[in-house]
Amino acid sequence: GEDVEQSLFLSVREGDSSVINCTYTDSSSTYLYWYKQEPGAGLQLLTYIFSNMDMKQDQRLTVLLNKKDKHLSLRIADTQTGDSAIYFCAETPHGFNKFYFGSGTKLNVKP
Amino acid sequence: EPEVTQTPSHQVTQMGQEVILRCVPISNHLYFYWYRQILGQKVEFLVSFYNNEISEKSEIFDDQFSVERPDGSNFTLKIRSTKLEDSAMYFCASGSTDTQYFGPGTRLTVL
Repeated sequence: GEDVEQSLFLSVREGDSSVINCTYTDSSSTYLYWYKQEPGAGLQLLTYIFSNMDMKQDQRLTVLLNKKDKHLSLRIADTQTGDSAIYFCAETPHGFNKFYFGSGTKLNVKP
Repeated sequence: EPEVTQTPSHQVTQMGQEVILRCVPISNHLYFYWYRQILGQKVEFLVSFYNNEISEKSEIFDDQFSVERPDGSNFTLKIRSTKLEDSAMYFCASGSTDTQYFGPGTRLTVL
């Protein structure tokens, strides 16, 4: 079945850039998403990209998609302590019937 | 800004009992989903619902589970005869054609 993989942890210093990576196996993915989960909270949609795009920028967030390598990344510029959370990559194939999530990357931002 | 709401925030039940988890999706959304997240693990898809019927379900969503949209606004997940391993956060989500928004979750504890 479809598989979405992420590294488990990332630690950066405040003010640095963070890059969170994700790989997926489903070549029919139409949309790919990044969600943020703070402790004890639900999943907050951060941004998403359509599979025919290779980059999307939204303020401090930049999403890069390499469809050939099935690789998605989220870059957070000027990372703040408030960015500390778990970041989930997700994808959906055509039809939006089902979303597949990675296991999440825990971002720790050190002051 | 409209949001998905879920009740209760925390449900404690005895093993073998039935629970109903409630969700109010965003009003103009057409797709509805239930996910669960066992503590520290990946977000797992349970079921999607579109046009008043199940559009897809995972292998987790067996006869113990059912979903309903009883009155056009609420979306419920019923778990019959709960087991210890059903303890998890249960997230409802609703979406349009390209986005999906999550509720804050219901933490289910089965004793």
